[in-house]
Amino acid sequence: ELQLVQSGAEAKKPGESLTISCKASGYTFSDYWITWVRQKPGKGLEWMGKIDPSDSYTKYGPSFQGHVTISTDTSISTAFLQWSSLKASDTAIYYCARQFCSAPGCFRGDWFDPWGQGTLVTVSS
Amino acid sequence: DIQMTQSPSSLSASVGDRITIACRASQSVYSYLNWYQHKPGKAPKLLIYTTSTLQSGVPSRFSGSGSGTDFTLTISSLQPEDFATYYCQQSYSDHYSFGQGTKLEIK
Repeated sequence: ELQLVQSGAEAKKPGESLTISCKASGYTFSDYWITWVRQKPGKGLEWMGKIDPSDSYTKYGPSFQGHVTISTDTSISTAFLQWSSLKASDTAIYYCARQFCSAPGCFRGDWFDPWGQGTLVTVSS
Repeated sequence: DIQMTQSPSSLSASVGDRITIACRASQSVYSYLNWYQHKPGKAPKLLIYTTSTLQSGVPSRFSGSGSGTDFTLTISSLQPEDFATYYCQQSYSDHYSFGQGTKLEIK
């Protein structure tokens, strides 16, 4: 079955580091980009960034560049989202999704399917 | 970056109703517009990609149309399981962006 399974909820303090994961199954992991999306409490969806597992090329949204790191480990078909120093404003649900690319380079005409179940990250002192 | 604006932000309707949700882009996104359904505590679900192509397994009561800057999602006859929040998303620019969402509630 094609699915993305994310790691469990996390409760952290400001300044702490964190890595959450997204394990893929049911397809060849390196054949599809992975994208990450944030949903702050009571708010909509925000695209954070994407990664090509085949070569680890990443692209970040302007609001997230320098604040998070996206990576993959193809040996375990898993993508990661990492923070080195969390802020209270990072409190959100984070979703990974497989990105279907219409063209090589995955730069236009793409969509996200399927999605992981989400990881709730709570940052509070 | 391309801004996506949905209207209305919330909508109250009854089972069996036909409803339409609008999505407007701040610049042309040609046909690169997708729709997702999101229920609380669940993973978002792709409904429609590239304006009007129904994702496999999505009921035919869902349809999408539009081009350029103006798009619509239509549900022809609401079912109880359709009450959720719906998001449009542009993929013309790979700084992808979503609309703010339309919450569809039971009247």
